[in-house]
Amino acid sequence: DTAVSQTPKYLVTQMGNDKSIKCEQNLGHDTMYWYKQDSKKFLKIMFSYNNKELIINETVPNRFSPKSPDKAHLNLHINSLELGDSAVYFCASSQVGQGWTEAFFGQGTRLTVV
Amino acid sequence: DQQVKQNSPSLSVQEGRISILNCDYTNSMFDYFLWYKKYPAEGPTFLISISSIKDKNEDGRFTVFLNKSAKHLSLHIVPSQPGDSAVYFCAARTGGYQKVTFGTGTKLQVIP
Repeated sequence: DTAVSQTPKYLVTQMGNDKSIKCEQNLGHDTMYWYKQDSKKFLKIMFSYNNKELIINETVPNRFSPKSPDKAHLNLHINSLELGDSAVYFCASSQVGQGWTEAFFGQGTRLTVV
Repeated sequence: DQQVKQNSPSLSVQEGRISILNCDYTNSMFDYFLWYKKYPAEGPTFLISISSIKDKNEDGRFTVFLNKSAKHLSLHIVPSQPGDSAVYFCAARTGGYQKVTFGTGTKLQVIP
């Protein structure tokens, strides 16, 4: 069973489109994250949700909107895609309350905007 | 402002020898440090960690050393194996919301 799964693995789309990436974790963790790995391979946190509540919101364009329907899911919706959004997006989860654990990552979604 | 830095983008080591990966940080508020390993087309996987109150943590072939005064940590892999070839990310956690900041990674190649 995959602990953190995200879909799709690859996403190619045109500029201006709207797309979503889904993420689910079956570890029972209370916190989920979205990270972006850009062309320079830098892994940068975008958002973090703890029990469906947004707790970390880095400087990310408003075109990016995370949605957490429950603590096992954190989806990322991107409006009006731009060329610069091309990157690999990683979802992760960890336990923050009642004992911290390291983050477990999904396999990544490679987004290519053409 | 990159608070966690890995100044060596790549490293090549012969199989059986020691691999030493380095990491520097600037934020004194970091309370926990981690190393992640990443293979191509996969997500990072946790390798080993160390609390800021310790200076060494060992797990099998992997040892992490922390020098708080120098704001420097290193990962030692002994002996290195071809399967260790991957990108290694150093990461550091701040308290509060437990935000983890990653370095840019070092690509390790272990030559058989």
